[in-house]
Amino acid sequence: DTEVTQTPKHLVMGMTNKKSLKCEQHMGHRAMYWYKQKAKKPPELMFVYSYEKLSINESVPSRFSPECPNSSLLNLHLHALQPEDSALYLCASSQTGGNEQFFGPGTRLTVL
Amino acid sequence: SQQGEEDPQALSIQEGENATMNCSYKTSINNLQWYRQNSGRGLVHLILIRSNEREKHSGRLRVTLDTSKKSSSLLITASRAADTASYFCAFPHTGGFKTIFGAGTRLFVKA
Repeated sequence: DTEVTQTPKHLVMGMTNKKSLKCEQHMGHRAMYWYKQKAKKPPELMFVYSYEKLSINESVPSRFSPECPNSSLLNLHLHALQPEDSALYLCASSQTGGNEQFFGPGTRLTVL
Repeated sequence: SQQGEEDPQALSIQEGENATMNCSYKTSINNLQWYRQNSGRGLVHLILIRSNEREKHSGRLRVTLDTSKKSSSLLITASRAADTASYFCAFPHTGGFKTIFGAGTRLFVKA
């Protein structure tokens, strides 16, 4: 199975809501990533987990909270987001750092 | 900026023509990767070329790497309408886990 799955595909939330994005892979990859992508821009790295431990946080605001419950799952908890946080959120995984990454289809987030 | 530079930003060609995209970077790299992204979807890994390789082929794709010039190119031969997408180069930053993406080239192939 070479697939990374993400749920939900679309999410609309208000600025006071709490929601979570979920990502799953069953390739045995030990590195998992969250990216944010705005229209016509490249993906911007948010977080990296390596062996289930947070190894990189790219100075992301605390209203985004990542969680890695086990080696196959990655969550992104959202709270008190701003309209400018509306974007495509991509999850990816790789065998280890520096190797090819496998991306999920993304969650299109709209913050009202 | 750590971001890789790509050119052209956009490219429009006819089906059957070749498409060439270029990527430049500033740091030392172990490898350089190319990804494709169809509109609003996830990225798909196309090819990885290591720093000790000069050229690599995969089907209709040809990638070159010139580490002395810190540049790479992606050639798509005999393009098809289905090749319409955005193409990104990417390279692991020092330490490995952080991948830097180029700004991307938007390719449009007209049938």
